[in-house]
Amino acid sequence: DQQVKQNSPSLSVQEGRISILNCDYTNSMFDYFLWYKKYPAEGPTFLISISSIKDKNEDGRFTVFLNKSAKHLSLHIVPSQPGDSAVYFCAASAPGNTGKLIFGQGTTLQVKP
Amino acid sequence: EAGVVQSPRYKIIEKKQPVAFWCNPISGHNTLYWYLQNLGQGPELLIRYENEEAVDDSQLPKDRFSAERLKGVDSTLKIQPAELGDSAVYLCASRGTSGTKQFFGPGTRLTVL
Repeated sequence: DQQVKQNSPSLSVQEGRISILNCDYTNSMFDYFLWYKKYPAEGPTFLISISSIKDKNEDGRFTVFLNKSAKHLSLHIVPSQPGDSAVYFCAASAPGNTGKLIFGQGTTLQVKP
Repeated sequence: EAGVVQSPRYKIIEKKQPVAFWCNPISGHNTLYWYLQNLGQGPELLIRYENEEAVDDSQLPKDRFSAERLKGVDSTLKIQPAELGDSAVYLCASRGTSGTKQFFGPGTRLTVL
């Protein structure tokens, strides 16, 4: 039972264009959502997060949108840069202060120069 | 500030052999997590520690896996005996007393032959 799903295994965009990575979840009790970025042979690094009480959070070139009614969130990267090429994981925080994260399968983003 | 440290980075063993992974979290982080990441998948929680107490080990295969965090700082994850299906990346993460963000180490890539 995959509670957090990233249905696109890969995405390829041109440098300077927008990258949109999507994530769906099933549990309406998740209270926080995070995006992590992972380069090969490195651990995931935190990118941006959003509380379930908000619908948008922006940090520089990165914006996360949350649609609670659709149980869907997306990460927008504008403009995309070749250094953004990595695997992006969506994660949801389980209710309660456990800090337990449930991850999606990841989407590999390739930004072409 | 030093990040989460893991060793070894890579380990190759034959099946039925034991193996151990070590993790040193970020200084002051009371919560420590061990995750398993299979190829093409997101990290999956194995065990969570609050200080020296394992508060969530429901996903840890206890017949062959064990973990300890004796002094509430660094931690060791052990597999004995290893099986072919244990080949994966083992990630350690830590979290401070507030917030949801977890900080990951680089992981240990285990190959069981």
